[in-house]
Amino acid sequence: DSGVTQTPKHLITATGQRVTLRCSPRSGDLSVYWYQQSLDQGLQFLIQYYNGEERAKGNILERFSAQQFPDLHSELNLSSLELGDSALYFCASRPGGQQSSPLHFGNGTRLTVT
Amino acid sequence: AQKVTQAQTEISVVEKEDVTLDCVYETRDTTYYLFWYKQPPSGELVFLIRRNSFDEQNEISGRYSWNFQKSTSSFNFTITASQVVDSAVYFCALSEATRAGGTSYGKLTFGQGTILTVHP
Repeated sequence: DSGVTQTPKHLITATGQRVTLRCSPRSGDLSVYWYQQSLDQGLQFLIQYYNGEERAKGNILERFSAQQFPDLHSELNLSSLELGDSALYFCASRPGGQQSSPLHFGNGTRLTVT
Repeated sequence: AQKVTQAQTEISVVEKEDVTLDCVYETRDTTYYLFWYKQPPSGELVFLIRRNSFDEQNEISGRYSWNFQKSTSSFNFTITASQVVDSAVYFCALSEATRAGGTSYGKLTFGQGTILTVHP
């Protein structure tokens, strides 16, 4: 158990809808990272937050947004969903932003857009 | 830009065989960290090992060993006497330097992964 909790585990929704994925980092970890894993793109970095502030952005679509709350949990919002958004979304955390620490991943949220 | 290449898409072995997973990386940073992760069929990503760029000492941990060669920018992973439970997707990853300004903040860049299937 990595200590990172993601909910829900599975999500099935229709095109055009909006969903929210939730992540609770390991106790004490200030940095949260979101990754998308799809069959054709592999593991793609979306966005990172550190202690409530956005720190780095990857290939995140404008339809996607995220935030980190004062209690350090994070939410990833996906809107105007398309079939191609179907993927496994991972949240990961580490104590700070330092490159030496491994990222500890949650079990992921599997999103299916129909 | 940082890049990680795992040239082997799929590897299939029979139990008890040794297997090596290859990883080649590109970076301009002089200080960097390399990682291996395992993703079993259940889907979670499990951290296996971390190596920093100034420590080329290879390591053995049980049936696992890692070979880091800075001269060839490679960080290979070997499983000795493979078991069915080793069947998983293995990812090599490179940690970018921590930079201000939002361009990078220690994010991991992953390779495409190698699917390892160990048959009984």
